[in-house]
Amino acid sequence: QKEVEQNSGPLSVPEGAIASLNCTYSDRGSQSFFWYRQYSGKSPELIMFIYSNGDKEDGRFTAQLNKASQYVSLLIRDSQPSDSATYLCAAVFSGTYKYIFGTGTRLKVLA
Amino acid sequence: DGGITQSPKYLFRKEGQNVTLSCEQNLNHDAMYWYRQDPGQGLRLIYYSQIVNDFQKGDIAEGYSVSREKKESFPLTVTSAQKNPTAFYLCASSALGRLDQPQHFGDGTRLSIL
Repeated sequence: QKEVEQNSGPLSVPEGAIASLNCTYSDRGSQSFFWYRQYSGKSPELIMFIYSNGDKEDGRFTAQLNKASQYVSLLIRDSQPSDSATYLCAAVFSGTYKYIFGTGTRLKVLA
Repeated sequence: DGGITQSPKYLFRKEGQNVTLSCEQNLNHDAMYWYRQDPGQGLRLIYYSQIVNDFQKGDIAEGYSVSREKKESFPLTVTSAQKNPTAFYLCASSALGRLDQPQHFGDGTRLSIL
């Protein structure tokens, strides 16, 4: 069973701090990884994707992928109260177009 | 603007009734997906389709049925066999063949039992 695991949280950080969200996956054949943000009662919206080892930056967000250790992380710099949401990690495994989602980490940014 | 349209936004089901949730996309995506999300939980895959007239069961297909007669449309029927249908249902689509293709989601349908 291919799995993607996240700590459910809540992760609380003060405004302006760096929030670090982590995700591990079970299948070394995983190819691509996506981070989505989901506000309560709304559908997920894409933040970033990554498929190469290393870091990828987009504005205040940095995705990090380490295929040897099978983890992917999302850093949010200068966290804002509007970043308070649930963050979902998803992986697409090789040979299939099924997206496997983690259960999400709830982030609270305290003003 | 391209996107995914789900309807209705809210739906109520009576005991023993089948209900159908609509999902239409104009993104020209080959793959479409249905997920169920329960409060405080992640997304669980119900069914997915990569091509017209073909679809595969996901992890929780029992009590649900789908069809894919057109590329743009992937309706989900919640049958009376699904004894606990109350949840938030999300339809998604994606292109195939590239590593950088995310899923795009509709706004969801919230289903409740009367």
